[in-house]
Amino acid sequence: DVKVTQSSRYLVKRTGEKVFLECVQDMDHENMFWYRQDPGLGLRLIYFSYDVKMKEKGDIPEGYSVSREKKERFSLILESASTNQTSMYLCASSLGAGRNTIYFGEGSWLTVV
Amino acid sequence: SQQGEEDPQALSIQEGENATMNCSYKTSINNLQWYRQNSGRGLVHLILIRSNEREKHSGRLRVTLDTSKKSSSLLITASRAADTASYFCALGGSNYKLTFGKGTLLTVNP
Repeated sequence: DVKVTQSSRYLVKRTGEKVFLECVQDMDHENMFWYRQDPGLGLRLIYFSYDVKMKEKGDIPEGYSVSREKKERFSLILESASTNQTSMYLCASSLGAGRNTIYFGEGSWLTVV
Repeated sequence: SQQGEEDPQALSIQEGENATMNCSYKTSINNLQWYRQNSGRGLVHLILIRSNEREKHSGRLRVTLDTSKKSSSLLITASRAADTASYFCALGGSNYKLTFGKGTLLTVNP
C-alpha cells in the first residue's frame, strides 16, 4: 500500500514563527501536493511538485513556500506564521498527471496563536 | 481553476438505505474521481471514472458520468453506519492538478 506520512499530526505555533510541515511518500511518486482544508472552503491547492526541485504554485500560494530536495520528501514552509494560516494541511502524492489517483497523508492540524 | 460542486451539502439517511451524491462541473475533464474523508482524517480514493466511461462499479459503490450534462453521481447501496463520512468529487485534467469540490457530508444513522 502507498503510504504518505506527515511528520506532525498536531502543532501549535506562535504568530511570526517559521513553521515546517514535512511529508514523505514511499512509492516513488513523481508528483507531490500540499492542500489546506477549511470548513466551507473544501480543499485548496497550495503548491505542487512534479519532480525533484521542481514546483508550481497552486491556487493559494501566498504566505507559503515549499522544498523538494529528494523525490520522496516534500516540505511546506510558513515563513512567518499568521493566525489565518490555522488550518488542516494535507500532503498527497500521485504517480503521474491528473489522470491518476492521489494518495493522501493523515493531515496536520496547525494552530497559530 | 474549476471546482466540482457536490450536491447535496449534507445528507442523512438510515442504515440500509441508498445514498446518492451528485457532482457538477463546468469545463472539460480527463477523469472524475471520488474520495472519502472520515472526520479529522486524510482523504481516501474510492473510484476513478474516465471521460470516455459512463458507469463504474466497485463493491457497493456505483459511479456514473454524463459528460454532456457535465455531471457525475455516486451511489452507495445498502449503507452502513461506517459509511458516515464526507465525500468529495475531484476533477482530473491533463495536467498534474486534481481539483476538489467542497464535499457532501453523509450521515448514516444506525
